[in-house]
Amino acid sequence: KAGVTQTPRYLIKTRGQQVTLSCSPISGHRSVSWYQQTPGQGLQFLFEYFSETQRNKGNFPGRFSGRQFSNSRSEMNVSTLELGDSALYLCASSLSGRGNTEAFFGQGTRLTVV
Amino acid sequence: QQQVKQSPQSLIVQKGGISIINCAYENTAFDYFPWYQQFPGKGPALLIAIRPDVSEKKEGRFTISFNKSAKQFSLHIMDSQPGDSATYFCAAKTGAGGSQGNLIFGKGTKLSVKP
Repeated sequence: KAGVTQTPRYLIKTRGQQVTLSCSPISGHRSVSWYQQTPGQGLQFLFEYFSETQRNKGNFPGRFSGRQFSNSRSEMNVSTLELGDSALYLCASSLSGRGNTEAFFGQGTRLTVV
Repeated sequence: QQQVKQSPQSLIVQKGGISIINCAYENTAFDYFPWYQQFPGKGPALLIAIRPDVSEKKEGRFTISFNKSAKQFSLHIMDSQPGDSATYFCAAKTGAGGSQGNLIFGKGTKLSVKP
């Protein structure tokens, strides 16, 4: 069974640009969550999607957005990039429903803003 | 506000020794406590998890001890090996109904196991 796939693995962008990251969850998983990982702040929750609806959102500015498609694949977008957005962006997938709370992470997309 | 506090930040253990990492939480609504292991350049991998109705869970060399009244839980790695050298994160989550909730992570512990 394939794991969580994130593309691309590495990105270099310039301040002010926008970027779109992609995540394909484990087959059958309907919940996709996004996290930002930085050395200073650690792992911070961005948002969660379930059945194409944003179900939960972390404390990030509106420049960070996401969406989920009918096949559960998800994308996150960051507009007007700032230097501080440089981070490892991780996607985690999990099954829907009670008790199915294990979250499996992809390898992440390393975003560098210059 | 840091809802999950993890210590120590770094840990050096001799091969064959016991590694112990501690976490404390504040939110009594948390009902799921996983530990993740992360190697450089990789995403976090689920190691072991516990729910608050259990005081201890063991999987191989890894054990979680959970103290609900103290709002603390810890990871014990027995017979630590150089291959265990990684960063370990504790986490906590609430979930109600069909919601998955979201994971709140500790800051991480960098473990080095010396041969």
